[in-house]
Amino acid sequence: GNSVTQMEGPVTLSEEAFLTINCTYTATGYPSLFWYVQYPGEGLQLLLKATKADDKGSNKGFEATYRKETTSFHLEKGSVQVSDSAVYFCALSATGGYNKLIFGAGTRLAVHP
Amino acid sequence: GAVVSQHPSRVICKSGTSVKIECRSLDFQATTMFWYRQFPKQSLMLMATSNEGSKATYEQGVEKDKFLINHASLTLSTLTVTSAHPEDSSFYICSARAGIEYGYTFGSGTRLTVV
Repeated sequence: GNSVTQMEGPVTLSEEAFLTINCTYTATGYPSLFWYVQYPGEGLQLLLKATKADDKGSNKGFEATYRKETTSFHLEKGSVQVSDSAVYFCALSATGGYNKLIFGAGTRLAVHP
Repeated sequence: GAVVSQHPSRVICKSGTSVKIECRSLDFQATTMFWYRQFPKQSLMLMATSNEGSKATYEQGVEKDKFLINHASLTLSTLTVTSAHPEDSSFYICSARAGIEYGYTFGSGTRLTVV
């Protein structure tokens, strides 16, 4: 079946450090891939998305490239800020059906000054 | 655009009572909405897919008689937790697909505490 695997957290970084959160997926067909961010006590916000192979999603300095050959969608940011501290979820939407989202376990990021 | 409003944000209820959570799409029509449950420090678990004008589709292991879903219009879906017990305490989040441009939009969640 379809699934998403994320690197375990928490990830603790100093401000201005480089961030990578790994995400790999298993899916039939050609899924769409997403990164969502959740701040404490809130719902999820779409951070970026990619709908086909080699697409690069980007937003607020974050980037992720849809790599079909490695079934990956790693999240990167060149210089993190304290305000980036949150939980990040990788997700996929498989083709067909109701297009429900399947989430990874989430990775907690803590950025210190 | 593509805002989903979820209410209430927090609710405390007594064991044995029922609680209704509302999810509204404010500026778009949502034929399909999704209900998730999230335990502390864990990922989102899809409970059911809500379809306007028809019965909801529940995920395996989710009790449809306990978690009643109604999607009576293109902008409103409700989740009712019936005969709530402390183990139902959780964070419930709804989501709607707002089209290709916006993807999936999430409500701000409801923290349910059953005492």
